[in-house]
Amino acid sequence: EVQLVESGGGLVQPGRSLRLSCAASGFTFDDNAMHWVRQAPGKGLEWVSGISWNSDIIGYADSVKGRFTISRDNAKNSLSLQMNSLRAEDTALYYCVKGKQWLGNWFDLWGQGTLVTVSS
Amino acid sequence: EIVMTQSPATLSVSPGERATLSCRASQSISTNLAWYQQKPGQAPRLLIYNASTRATGIPARFSGSGSRTEFTLTISSLQSEDFAVYYCQQYNIWPPYTFGQGTKLEIK
Repeated sequence: EVQLVESGGGLVQPGRSLRLSCAASGFTFDDNAMHWVRQAPGKGLEWVSGISWNSDIIGYADSVKGRFTISRDNAKNSLSLQMNSLRAEDTALYYCVKGKQWLGNWFDLWGQGTLVTVSS
Repeated sequence: EIVMTQSPATLSVSPGERATLSCRASQSISTNLAWYQQKPGQAPRLLIYNASTRATGIPARFSGSGSRTEFTLTISSLQSEDFAVYYCQQYNIWPPYTFGQGTKLEIK
């Protein structure tokens, strides 16, 4: 079955760190760019970060640049998001999302998301 | 950053009728536009890419059109399972990829 399964979310205090993970299965992971997209409670979708198939190209939203780091391990079919200096406005459901081979394409598979709550 | 604007925010339509959703880009994005459907408590699902190509498994009642800055998603005959929130997204210029704010399609 083709799927993405996120983990690592939870309640964290402002200023602290959290690491999200995504396990991919059912497709050739290293053929695809991967992304993180988040959705604050009751709000719309916001792209957070993306990484090319070979990690050569990485991009971030301005809102997380310098605080979040995306990475992937193609040998383990996994995607990660290291989130530092968390803020209340980072509270959201974080989706792991599969892109196409090249960055600059649509998103064709979404995980179910992992919830991050930043609060004291 | 390219700003995507969807209209209307909420659309009320009766089952069996046609629904037309609009999406406007703040600058030309050619046909580098996707549409996603999101039902309550679920992840978004890809419907349309390249402005008019249906994704795998998407029924023919969903169609997309447009180019440059003006785009439309049409659902020809609404089924009960189509009532959801719809998002457009541009992937022409990134980072960042940007989404519209969404259109909620509700039962009239």
